[in-house]
Amino acid sequence: NAGVTQTPKFRILKIGQSMTLQCTQDMNHNYMYWYRQDPGMGLKLIYYSVGAGITDKGEVPNGYNVSRSTTEDFPLRLELAAPSQTSVYFCASSYTGNSNQPQHFGDGTRLSIL
Amino acid sequence: DAKTTQPNSMESNEEEPVHLPCNHSTISGTDYIHWYRQLPSQGPEYVIHGLTSNVNNRMASLAIAEDRKSSTLILHRATLRDAAVYYCILRGGSGNTPLVFGKGTRLSVIA
Repeated sequence: NAGVTQTPKFRILKIGQSMTLQCTQDMNHNYMYWYRQDPGMGLKLIYYSVGAGITDKGEVPNGYNVSRSTTEDFPLRLELAAPSQTSVYFCASSYTGNSNQPQHFGDGTRLSIL
Repeated sequence: DAKTTQPNSMESNEEEPVHLPCNHSTISGTDYIHWYRQLPSQGPEYVIHGLTSNVNNRMASLAIAEDRKSSTLILHRATLRDAAVYYCILRGGSGNTPLVFGKGTRLSVIA
């Protein structure tokens, strides 16, 4: 079972460049999430989606955009990369948003902005 | 979501039980208690969750205090693979609430 798949696993960007982090899940989950994790810290929510066509901001959305055109895919876009966006990015999904539902995470994308 | 308090780090010997504590004195009646762990260089992994009663699964057990103001994740026999950061997270009963991760407890397992 693939679960949640993130690509690429590693990327180095120059300041001002743009890129899209890909996330896809094969569990037919309605909810999908993007988190970032800075060194030595817990995860912080960037954006989430409750279904195709619906997205909402999390705790730290500035500098990012998302879209959800299909149930399976939830890409995260950085338009103008800044050094403060150097982090590890995790995508997750869950069947519903109910409080008793676990989230399933991908293995992350390690992004460095130089 | 209500706040949780966990020790920064704990250490255990291999094949011994491990009890990871979590305090959540401001928990509301509808908050679920979730535990996740994160192995080095991997994404978080769901471990277990509960509301009021103790819970068991193949990975661990969750013991919830009668007043629900604290809980304990129990690994029955720690292995080297259990070395990870363990997160205790409360999730509100209203639904549509994302996980809020703190710093967790870093568990070291000694062979």
